[in-house]
Amino acid sequence: RKEVEQDPGPFNVPEGATVAFNCTYSNSASQSFFWYRQDCRKEPKLLMSVYSSGNEDGRFTAQLNRASQYISLLIRDSKLSDSATYLCVVNGRNEKLTFGTGTRLTIIP
Amino acid sequence: DAGVIQSPRHEVTEMGQEVTLRCKPISGHNSLFWYRQTMMRGLELLIYFNNNVPIDDSGMPEDRFSAKMPNASFSTLKIQPSEPRDSAVYFCASSSFAYEQYFGPGTRLTVT
Repeated sequence: RKEVEQDPGPFNVPEGATVAFNCTYSNSASQSFFWYRQDCRKEPKLLMSVYSSGNEDGRFTAQLNRASQYISLLIRDSKLSDSATYLCVVNGRNEKLTFGTGTRLTIIP
Repeated sequence: DAGVIQSPRHEVTEMGQEVTLRCKPISGHNSLFWYRQTMMRGLELLIYFNNNVPIDDSGMPEDRFSAKMPNASFSTLKIQPSEPRDSAVYFCASSSFAYEQYFGPGTRLTVT
């Protein structure tokens, strides 16, 4: 079983719609969780951290469910500029991060 | 700040040649990470350094790969000899505290 699993998509969503991705992780001892965003042929960039109580940053909401070992990302009122690959990231030992293979999102005009 | 700097941005080489990738982390960051990204395997951590010391190299695929960090502002990843299956994008990332990592633009390596 992979340490971090994501649906690769692609998700093709009309502009203005709401879209949600889930991600599952295998290590119950994981402490920190993140969503990174990667544009085509670019480097990954931190989108947001995921806190136990859930957190929101503008149109983006992240949730953590420790009991079921999954995290989610919700994007409301999607924009064309949201088209990217979204990487679910979980910490391992020390500073090691384990990345999912990503979910590709395309926002359609 | 200039961000993480990597060179070269693109490298095309023949099988059997030595390849050296370079990284300059963000000034003041004390951790440096080398990743490899392919379509099939996604983003994989190869090795990371803390205060210039290698902490975990368990992701280095085999002895053909080696990495050094002679000082706080420079690191290299070397592949010798290179093979076609090494073709990938290699990212360097740095961080000043646990977990929030800043990535460089990557080196796209093609081994023919």
